[in-house]
Amino acid sequence: NAGVTQTPKFQVLKTGQSMTLQCAQDMNHEYMSWYRQDPGMGLRLIHYSVGAGITDQGEVPNGYNVSRSTTEDFPLRLLSAAPSQTSVYFCASRPSGGARNSPLHFGNGTRLTVT
Amino acid sequence: LAKTTQPISMDSYEGQEVNITCSHNNIATNDYITWYQQFPSQGPRFIIQGYKTKVTNEVASLFIPADRKSSTLSLPRVSLSDTAVYYCLVGDSSGGYQKVTFGTGTKLQVIP
Repeated sequence: NAGVTQTPKFQVLKTGQSMTLQCAQDMNHEYMSWYRQDPGMGLRLIHYSVGAGITDQGEVPNGYNVSRSTTEDFPLRLLSAAPSQTSVYFCASRPSGGARNSPLHFGNGTRLTVT
Repeated sequence: LAKTTQPISMDSYEGQEVNITCSHNNIATNDYITWYQQFPSQGPRFIIQGYKTKVTNEVASLFIPADRKSSTLSLPRVSLSDTAVYYCLVGDSSGGYQKVTFGTGTKLQVIP
């Protein structure tokens, strides 16, 4: 009964380093998305995907890349980390197609610090 | 995209009923209203969803007036464990429900 799994839970990077935040879901959900949440703020949409091979930008896509080669996985890549990317990152998924109003299922987040 | 407005914060004593109102004046005909709850250091979790009138589950009730321009989340007899941030979302039917965006939510503090 894993749901949405995010790894790692915590990460510290130096400015300019790259890394990939992993997200996997075992519910066969077509839709997946990434959010960032800064202290005291709501969640902001970074990228989303409506199915394997299809991705699109959200509200704050700059500095982040995504790909969706399988239904289960939706990794988020930081190519050159900046202190402004210090945040908590959440991955979410939900069924797509006819279940467009279905709620999102969230992972427990990755806390990223860029020094 | 229908924007939502909700209070930034609320305080309540244990055992009281809490009502959090969200306004969404530009809601589209096909949009549903969804509420999420977020505890510190966790991802949001779905609480309740509705389209019109009243919806009730084991956690909360959702009241939606006929014009659907607002909705009220009602939490009966809150406990300390209900301290969390509550988000009201309105689906973007015009965008195929793809860009699901969150506001800043309402921070509920339950006081002993």
